[in-house]
Amino acid sequence: QVQLVESGGGLVKPGGSLRLSCAASGFTFSDYYMNWIRQAPGKGLEWVSYIRGSSSNIHYADSVKGRFTISRDNAKNSLYLQMNSLSAEDTAVYYCARAGHDSGGYEAHFDYWGQGTLVTVSS
Amino acid sequence: QSALTQPASVSGSPGQSITISCTGTSSDVGSYNRVSWYQQHPGKAPKVMIYEVSKRPSGVSNRFSGSKSGNTASLTISGLQAEDEADYYCCSYAGSSTFVVFGGGTKLTVL
Repeated sequence: QVQLVESGGGLVKPGGSLRLSCAASGFTFSDYYMNWIRQAPGKGLEWVSYIRGSSSNIHYADSVKGRFTISRDNAKNSLYLQMNSLSAEDTAVYYCARAGHDSGGYEAHFDYWGQGTLVTVSS
Repeated sequence: QSALTQPASVSGSPGQSITISCTGTSSDVGSYNRVSWYQQHPGKAPKVMIYEVSKRPSGVSNRFSGSKSGNTASLTISGLQAEDEADYYCCSYAGSSTFVVFGGGTKLTVL
């Protein structure tokens, strides 16, 4: 069965950096778009970034552009999010989520989600 | 402020039907049949209930249905059950500049 397991969250000071990981299993990882989606405490969902299976297409929300970098290692079935210049507004649970098959266009339909990892930015 | 507008809360009694609206613009909901709906119970990850406006993933009850008219999408839950009490979020593809927009979420209370 499909499993997504995030790790790497924690407490970081404003201006600091953190790298999140998502370990995927149960499907052919390289065949799918993958995403990071976050949820601030008590708030709604916010899409952060997506990466195509081949890493040929990468896009970010304006709120993180220039600070966050998404990447993947298909040999390791892993997705990453490098977060720099963090601020309190980045405090959230970060989910990795699978989107559609790489053979089609990006569809913004998230069929599997991890359990999330909490990132807290505070001094 | 979220890109898609949902009511903050809706409620219904067991067995009743409710509808949650999701209003966007001609740049997202109105232009693409790529609207999805997610159910989230407290402390849990979201779960897709509807995708491509009205399609139901395998395993999702047929009590859940979706539709769209113009810039507004809707999620209807019929035969309300206690387990349906959760937060619901709509989501739409928004083109090759914005890509993805979510609604602010609707808290469903089963009375």
